[in-house]
Amino acid sequence: RKEVEQDPGPFNVPEGATVAFNCTYSNSASQSFFWYRQDCRKEPKLLMSVYSSGNEDGRFTAQLNRASQYISLLIRDSKLSDSATYLCVVLNAGNMLTFGGGTRLMVKP
Amino acid sequence: EAQVTQNPRYLITVTGKKLTVTCSQNMNHEYMSWYRQDPGLGLRQIYYSMNVEVTDKGDVPEGYKVSRKEKRNFPLILESPSPNQTSLYFCASSSPAQPQHFGDGTRLSIL
Repeated sequence: RKEVEQDPGPFNVPEGATVAFNCTYSNSASQSFFWYRQDCRKEPKLLMSVYSSGNEDGRFTAQLNRASQYISLLIRDSKLSDSATYLCVVLNAGNMLTFGGGTRLMVKP
Repeated sequence: EAQVTQNPRYLITVTGKKLTVTCSQNMNHEYMSWYRQDPGLGLRQIYYSMNVEVTDKGDVPEGYKVSRKEKRNFPLILESPSPNQTSLYFCASSSPAQPQHFGDGTRLSIL
């Protein structure tokens, strides 16, 4: 079993749609959680950190469920520019980042 | 501007010819790391460094070396590159327990 698992997609959605991605992690001692965005052939960029209480940044909402060991990302009112791969990232002891395989989102006009 | 700089961005070379990919960060970060990204396998960590003169193996260290003589630099060395090391490589840095900042990537092709 992979340490961080994501549905690879692709998720094909129309502009304006709401889309949600989930991610599960296996290490119950994981300390911090992030969502990164990666465009084709580009470097991953931090989208948002994920906090236990849940957090929102504009159209993006992230949730963490420690008991079930999953993280979610909700994107409302999808834009064409949201098309990218979204990486679920878990920080473990020793500053070790473990990446999920990524979920590809394609937003269509 | 805060950044992580990798060089070269692209390199095509031949099996067995030693090469070094440089990585430099200007954010005074303690932590630096190298990843490779391959289709279907995602990002995998090669080596990381918690601070100067402290380096450790990641998930896929075979065939690679690193050094951390200065805080800002973390070069990745391929002593005898092989075709299975053809990949997209990313360097990253951060402060402890903070999200990592990535360089632009280096695309290596080993023929």
